[in-house]
Amino acid sequence: GDSVTQMEGPVTLSEEAFLTINCTYTATGYPSLFWYVQYPGEGLQLLLKATKADDKGSNKGFEATYRKETTSFHLEKGSVQVSDSAVYFCALKDNFNKFYFGSGTKLNVKP
Amino acid sequence: GAGVSQSPSNKVTEKGKDVELRCDPISGHTALYWYRQSLGQGLEFLIYFQGNSAPDKSGLPSDRFSAERTGGSVSTLTIQRTQQEDSAVYLCASSLGAGNTIYFGEGSWLTVV
Repeated sequence: GDSVTQMEGPVTLSEEAFLTINCTYTATGYPSLFWYVQYPGEGLQLLLKATKADDKGSNKGFEATYRKETTSFHLEKGSVQVSDSAVYFCALKDNFNKFYFGSGTKLNVKP
Repeated sequence: GAGVSQSPSNKVTEKGKDVELRCDPISGHTALYWYRQSLGQGLEFLIYFQGNSAPDKSGLPSDRFSAERTGGSVSTLTIQRTQQEDSAVYLCASSLGAGNTIYFGEGSWLTVV
């Protein structure tokens, strides 16, 4: 069945460092791909999405490109801030509207 | 409403009791999802509704878990004879349907003691 695999955390970075959180997927059909973020004490929020191959989603300085050839949707940010500390979830939506989530990657950004 | 609303936000119950968790989706959203998030874990899919029907119940962990949705709107997740391993955050999400993003509620924290 469909699934999402993302790198285990926690990831600890200093402020202004470059961030990559890897995400790969397995899917039949043509899924849509998402990154959700969960800040401490809050619910999950959509960060960005891409609905077809080669699309790039972007928001708040974060980017991810839908790569069909490598079945990946890695999350990147050029310069992280302390306020980016959160848990990041990669997800896919299959052709039947079912969402599959990765296990989450905790990001700690130190001043 | 403005967002997905869940109640109660926190529930402490004794082992063996039944609990009901409620989800009020965003107005007009036809699809509704229940997920479970245990401490430090990812999201575990429980059930998905399209309208009032549940085409996918594959994630319900046991027959103690059931869910219904009425009027294409509010959904209730019921856990009978709760066990300590049921302790988790139960997240509800909704979407307009095909091709759309899902939006999450704040979750219901369930603690079984």
